[in-house]
Amino acid sequence: QSALTQPPSVSGAPGQRVTISCTGDRSNIGTGYDVHWYQQLPGKAPKLLINGNTNRPSGVPDRFSGSTSGTSASLAISGLQAEDEADYYCHSFGGGERGAGLFGGGTRLTVL
Amino acid sequence: QVQLVQSGVEVKKPGASVKVSCQASGYTFTNNGIAWVRQAPGQGLEWMGWISALNGNRNYAQKVQGRLSMTTDSSTTTAYMELTSLTSDDTAVYYCARMVCPHCAADHWGQGTLVTVSS
Repeated sequence: QSALTQPPSVSGAPGQRVTISCTGDRSNIGTGYDVHWYQQLPGKAPKLLINGNTNRPSGVPDRFSGSTSGTSASLAISGLQAEDEADYYCHSFGGGERGAGLFGGGTRLTVL
Repeated sequence: QVQLVQSGVEVKKPGASVKVSCQASGYTFTNNGIAWVRQAPGQGLEWMGWISALNGNRNYAQKVQGRLSMTTDSSTTTAYMELTSLTSDDTAVYYCARMVCPHCAADHWGQGTLVTVSS
């Protein structure tokens, strides 16, 4: 079981907005460690979507946004497109030792 | 552009070891760390650990500690991950990724290396 908890699946129609949560605790996100988000298309390597809680790397559409609050983080995707159908993972550190990386279990986004 | 190119498919017997390489290009190798992440078939991402390419400091996940070794060679800008005493549970795609701090996210990934452990 992951130390970061994500819903297994979310879905939305094209054009809609969806959010994916990532729940941690006081030993990881709640300590202030940054949260990052990755998109993984089928059969491909993960791709960095959000860096340092809220920052979008160059080339990532502004339809993707990240936020944190307390021991949780969220990824929001607005204006859903068919190409957004993928697995999404949150990533942080914790367990009392900097360097102990953690991933959420992943969320499968289905575009209806 | 930043590129990480990994070595090819591996098939190993239980109890054997595997060593996967990750050759980096397009940036100053010693400016960043390299993380290793694996993904078992149909499963999520699992953090294995990371290593500083500058000073060799490393941190391994508890689950694989004692069986995992990460090294880097700055002369060839290559990172290595060696896992020993393999079992079928180690069957996975293994990824290397460049770590960018201070936020410490994995901003570029290798293509992945499939390691199959089977008798």
